[in-house]
Amino acid sequence: NAGVTQTPKFQVLKTGQSMTLQCAQDMNHEYMSWYRQDPGMGLRLIHYSVGAGITDQGEVPNGYNVSRSTTEDFPLRLLSAAPSQTSVYFCASSETGGRYNEQFFGPGTRLTVL
Amino acid sequence: RKEVEQDPGPFNVPEGATVAFNCTYSNSASQSFFWYRQDCRKEPKLLMSVYSSGNEDGRFTAQLNRASQYISLLIRDSKLSDSATYLCVVNSGTASKLTFGTGTRLQVTL
Repeated sequence: NAGVTQTPKFQVLKTGQSMTLQCAQDMNHEYMSWYRQDPGMGLRLIHYSVGAGITDQGEVPNGYNVSRSTTEDFPLRLLSAAPSQTSVYFCASSETGGRYNEQFFGPGTRLTVL
Repeated sequence: RKEVEQDPGPFNVPEGATVAFNCTYSNSASQSFFWYRQDCRKEPKLLMSVYSSGNEDGRFTAQLNRASQYISLLIRDSKLSDSATYLCVVNSGTASKLTFGTGTRLQVTL
């Protein structure tokens, strides 16, 4: 099993550009989520999905869109990149969003917006 | 007040030492508690869940104090490989909402 994979590993964008961060998992997990990690802030939840066709907002959803057309994939779209979106982005999955379920993280995407 | 607070450290300890981290949380309705480990520029990985009765996994012991709203992680006989950032994570009621602390950095030296 590859686990949770993310592409690209690194990306530099100019302000106003759009892009999609890819996330895929091969563990047949229902629950997937996107976090961003900034220095001194901890990981913050952007969007999450409890299954194909179902998504919801997390703590910091503005400027990001998601969709979940399959169980495996959960892409994150930046609509119009801003310097404030410079961050490290982690995708995670778990069997359910249940209280005791371990979340498995992808290796992260390091995004810089100029 | 932050929902989950941790001392950022760094904690610099010699190999073989015992070190303890605390983490406080503000939501008394919190139901699940975890410690994750994050190596430099890597993804977080689950170290252990924290149960009400406390739990131990080898050199690692986690405790929960609901009355004072804190959890702790004790590492005995520290190894160089324990050097990492330890993230306190709290699930506050709904399954989807995990709140992460900013992490405590541990550096184990020879």
